[in-house]
Amino acid sequence: DAGITQSPRHKVTETGTPVTLRCHQTENHRYMYWYRQDPGHGLRLIHYSYGVKDTDKGEVSDGYSVSRSKTEDFLLTLESATSSQTSVYFCAITPGLAGEGEQFFGPGTRLTVL
Amino acid sequence: DAKTTQPTSMDCAEGRAANLPCNHSTISGNEYVYWYRQIHSQGPQYIIHGLKNNETNEMASLIITEDRKSSTLILPHATLRDTAVYYCIVRVAGNQFYFGTGTSLTVIP
Repeated sequence: DAGITQSPRHKVTETGTPVTLRCHQTENHRYMYWYRQDPGHGLRLIHYSYGVKDTDKGEVSDGYSVSRSKTEDFLLTLESATSSQTSVYFCAITPGLAGEGEQFFGPGTRLTVL
Repeated sequence: DAKTTQPTSMDCAEGRAANLPCNHSTISGNEYVYWYRQIHSQGPQYIIHGLKNNETNEMASLIITEDRKSSTLILPHATLRDTAVYYCIVRVAGNQFYFGTGTSLTVIP
């Protein structure tokens, strides 16, 4: 699992509430990613980070923000959750300084917004 | 826009080779093709990747056509544990991965 943990693993929340998902890695990887996975879709990139305080948007970033104040943690925040954000969220890392090559994925967080 | 297209599902007999096709007709010259698989709801697992040449590792072989518009993942001797969704992915600048919808492979005893 490349030393990646995600918390919580499951969460049920109500529309309009803020939600923060955490991705934690133990190996000082520079590049980290957040994806969502919905039925009928593969994984879609939300945001990624290429270092502390360095982040950029992915394919489906609307409604999400991220923060990376230290190397090991990459946080995904839904400021005001909506039912359309019900999904499974995966975090990933790429080893190495150049950020090229295979991505290794965490176990996922299943989020339900009622 | 989908960067890859794959058949929705395939079956393969246990012990036989599984050949999973993928079309990526709009791929650029410096974009890699990656293959991952996902078992149940686990995180995707890396299988193999390539740019132009065919590649082989302990899990699979990757055959890329000369024009790079399509590729085939080959599992040489499929087992029941290979039942999974297989994703063909184009890696673009910034190491961004574009997943397709994948092929659900069922290995039949």
